[in-house]
Amino acid sequence: QKEVEQDPGPLSVPEGAIVSLNCTYSNSAFQYFMWYRQYSRKGPELLMYTYSSGNKEDGRFTAQVDKSSKYISLFIRDSQPSDSATYLCAMRSLYNFNKFYFGSGTKLNVKP
Amino acid sequence: DTEVTQTPKHLVMGMTNKKSLKCEQHMGHRAMYWYKQKAKKPPELMFVYSYEKLSINESVPSRFSPECPNSSLLNLHLHALQPEDSALYLCASSQGQYRDGQPQHFGDGTRLSIL
Repeated sequence: QKEVEQDPGPLSVPEGAIVSLNCTYSNSAFQYFMWYRQYSRKGPELLMYTYSSGNKEDGRFTAQVDKSSKYISLFIRDSQPSDSATYLCAMRSLYNFNKFYFGSGTKLNVKP
Repeated sequence: DTEVTQTPKHLVMGMTNKKSLKCEQHMGHRAMYWYKQKAKKPPELMFVYSYEKLSINESVPSRFSPECPNSSLLNLHLHALQPEDSALYLCASSQGQYRDGQPQHFGDGTRLSIL
C-alpha cells in the first residue's frame, strides 16, 4: 500500500465550478501537508501549506486536513482555465523533516 | 520565476558523456534536494543534503553523483547515463531539519534526454 493515495484523474470541469481534490494517507505521523500545482514542463509550485488538522484559506483556494480520517482536500472556487494543471499533495512526518511523500497527482482540466 | 534556479533548462547527452546539473537558492535554506520526475508521475526523491551533508541517498545508481559545495549551491554530476535516465530533474530546498516544519520550494527543472 502506498503511503499517500491520490486519484490521478483526469478531472474535467466547466469554468466557474468548485473543484475538490483529495488525498488519503496511512502514516499517522504525518503532520505537515502541502499542495503543489504543476504546469506542463515546469516545476511544482507551492499553493498551500498546513500543519495538523483544520482549514486554511488563501484567495480561491482552501486546504482542509482531517487527521482522524487521514484525509486532506484542496478546494478551488470559481475555477479558471488557468487552473488547468496537475495538482500534487505532499506530506511530511514529525520525525523526518527532510523526507516528503507525494501523491501521484491529479490532472485538472477547466473548460472555458 | 521561482526562487530556486536550475541550469541548464534542457540537456541532451550521449551515454558516454559527463555533464553536471546546477541548482542555486538564496532563501537561506539549509536542506536541498534532487528529484527525478518521469512523465505523468510524481517527483521521486534521489538525494537530500542537510547543512551541506548528504543525509538521504535513495539507492541511486552511482552514475549520479551529488555535490553540495555550499549552503546555496547543489550540483548533480552525470556520467555514463542510460536512456531510461531521460527525465525532468528537479531541485528543491527547504528550511532544514532543525527548523520548524516548512515546505519545499522547487525549481523548474532540467529536462534531460539521453541519446
